[in-house]
Amino acid sequence: EIVMTQSPATLSVSPGERATLSCRASQSISSNLAWSLQKPGQAPRLLIYDASTRATGTPTRFSGGGSGTEFTLTISSLQSEDFAVYYCQQYHEWPITFGGGTEVVI
Amino acid sequence: QLQLQESGPGLLKPSETLFLTCTVSGAPISSSSHSWGWIRQAPGKGLEWIGSLHSTWSMNYNPSLESRVTMSVDTSKNHFSLRLNSVTAADTAVYFCGRHDSAPYQAYFDSWGQGTLVTVSS
Repeated sequence: EIVMTQSPATLSVSPGERATLSCRASQSISSNLAWSLQKPGQAPRLLIYDASTRATGTPTRFSGGGSGTEFTLTISSLQSEDFAVYYCQQYHEWPITFGGGTEVVI
Repeated sequence: QLQLQESGPGLLKPSETLFLTCTVSGAPISSSSHSWGWIRQAPGKGLEWIGSLHSTWSMNYNPSLESRVTMSVDTSKNHFSLRLNSVTAADTAVYFCGRHDSAPYQAYFDSWGQGTLVTVSS
């Protein structure tokens, strides 16, 4: 199976700052990567798919990039509602796999 | 508006069988455009995909669980179900149901249920 590795595990930033999260695949997944956000006690919510396409309702401060094995999620100016755990997910092949998550904290 | 709602027992004993149902509202489960899946999250841990049920009623399961998992669908009730045999404490998790596109290379989850906590304890 394809192993997804996210870094860092925890990212400490201040409101208004820029945050960059990384996700690495153990083999090429083309652009078949999604990013989701999860707040405590809630289900994940899709932010980005196909590595760089914003889902409906995703603010423009979120941008995704990369292809192959290296991917990034950038939040240009962190808002209070952005502090959460972010997961990447590959859907290039079965089984679907998720990264371990990056927690963005103040 | 699409909504998914998980239901099932919250507490099981080791070796019992887990049976969960995801009721879908706002869209027909028989849609050829979508597939339906289960994902779980152990306490304080990340997400683990369990399996997906496709519009052709074919299925893909996580190899790590395949020997114990069965998914099924009831189109008359617009719901799909998960059966997990011989549970252990390691199966304690929040179980989510979700929807993804059925097209090749489009299996990202765009809608999720709120999740239901299943605890396995003697």
